[in-house]
Amino acid sequence: GAGVSQTPSNKVTEKGKYVELRCDPISGHTALYWYRQSLGQGPEFLIYFQGTGAADDSGLPNDRFFAVRPEGSVSTLKIQRTERGDSAVYLCASSPGPSSNEQFFGPGTRLTVL
Amino acid sequence: DAKTTQPNSMESNEEEPVHLPCNHSTISGTDYIHWYRQLPSQGPEYVIHGLTSNVNNRMASLAIAEDRKSSTLILHRATLRDAAVYYCILRDTGGATNKLIFGTGTLLAVQP
Repeated sequence: GAGVSQTPSNKVTEKGKYVELRCDPISGHTALYWYRQSLGQGPEFLIYFQGTGAADDSGLPNDRFFAVRPEGSVSTLKIQRTERGDSAVYLCASSPGPSSNEQFFGPGTRLTVL
Repeated sequence: DAKTTQPNSMESNEEEPVHLPCNHSTISGTDYIHWYRQLPSQGPEYVIHGLTSNVNNRMASLAIAEDRKSSTLILHRATLRDAAVYYCILRDTGGATNKLIFGTGTLLAVQP
């Protein structure tokens, strides 16, 4: 079946611009996670949704980062006033529920801020 | 969050077994041990998990020390496709979010 998909696969933007990154989880998965991975590092947790609500946003680095999941399926990660330090691969993962043993990851969106 | 320690890199030959170690001396009673791997230019992929007993699945085996302060991921016959970064992660089952806390992992190189 279809896995987690993320669009775009690559995004190049200029410093100060606004970007949106989209995640389509596996159908029926209620839990959705966003991670960020910098070069040479492991993924870093950003935010977790259970259904439509953000149950844990403790990993968001600052208030320029925001994410929504209005209908409990697709999620959008929004970054305002992008900075060069925001350049990374943004990964989305979903799982059937919050206590599921396995998270299914998408291929990621590579964001480059010039 | 409990931390894990893994070697930065390891090398193996194709068709040979690989033992990837992980130390987690501060593990708590409610922590599960999870392994994920990340192939080049892909998102992480679940490999295996366990609590106390050794576990086997189609991808690998997980050997957990009796005191749970360390574990070893075993790939029985390495293939070129197994070249990846392997992450050992502790997941707190008592937590509310099930988030994964990744370290830097072990980069496994497989030689033909």
